[in-house]
Amino acid sequence: GAVVSQHPSRVICKSGTSVKIECRSLDFQATTMFWYRQFPKKSLMLMATSNEGSKATYEQGVEKDKFLINHASLTLSTLTVTSAHPEDSSFYICSARDPLDSWSSGNTIYFGEGSWLTVV
Amino acid sequence: QKEVEQNSGPLSVPEGAIASLNCTYSDRGSQSFFWYRQYSGKSPELIMSIYSNGDKEDGRFTAQLNKASQYVSLLIRDSQPSDSATYLCAVNHRGSSNTGKLIFGQGTTLQVKP
Repeated sequence: GAVVSQHPSRVICKSGTSVKIECRSLDFQATTMFWYRQFPKKSLMLMATSNEGSKATYEQGVEKDKFLINHASLTLSTLTVTSAHPEDSSFYICSARDPLDSWSSGNTIYFGEGSWLTVV
Repeated sequence: QKEVEQNSGPLSVPEGAIASLNCTYSDRGSQSFFWYRQYSGKSPELIMSIYSNGDKEDGRFTAQLNKASQYVSLLIRDSQPSDSATYLCAVNHRGSSNTGKLIFGQGTTLQVKP
């Protein structure tokens, strides 16, 4: 079963409103989670690193005031798209690594199922 | 120069053939390399990971890494129509070898024709 869960899987919101996407690690504690966005037929673009108990680290070009990230517990990170516009419509994916897994085991980075956001 | 580069394709192969997917990366400090498969509208799923130079085989998949050339490839033997998907090459971000921060290539679309 999934070890990283995202919710909601699909959401439609009106322009100007805010929408929150949750990312949960189910079987492990993740001090660090990552948020990506993906436009149709494009690759995953890293948006930010979510750090438990501290501020998120945003990639160049990503507006931190627009994409609010909160990582209040070791199993939950949230991404809030504020004042959403149609151009924010995208597929948002989170990932996390179980810090207790050995890097050499390979399958240590877990992705959520993704969340489709449509802003109308 | 992009950090991770792939040919976007589409790469079309007949069923049963070998599909060869290639990826180059720019950061010589990268230590971990991954191939993910992504079906349309779905999250990526891990196919292979490789950390050392040489080949790593898992079933019909073989990953090849050449750090000197900054090149990693994925071979899919006996390609099946169900292998049709986008294949994403990912490299661990510099300075974060233990956190799981990945940089992705643009992906190669593979089409396996029956």
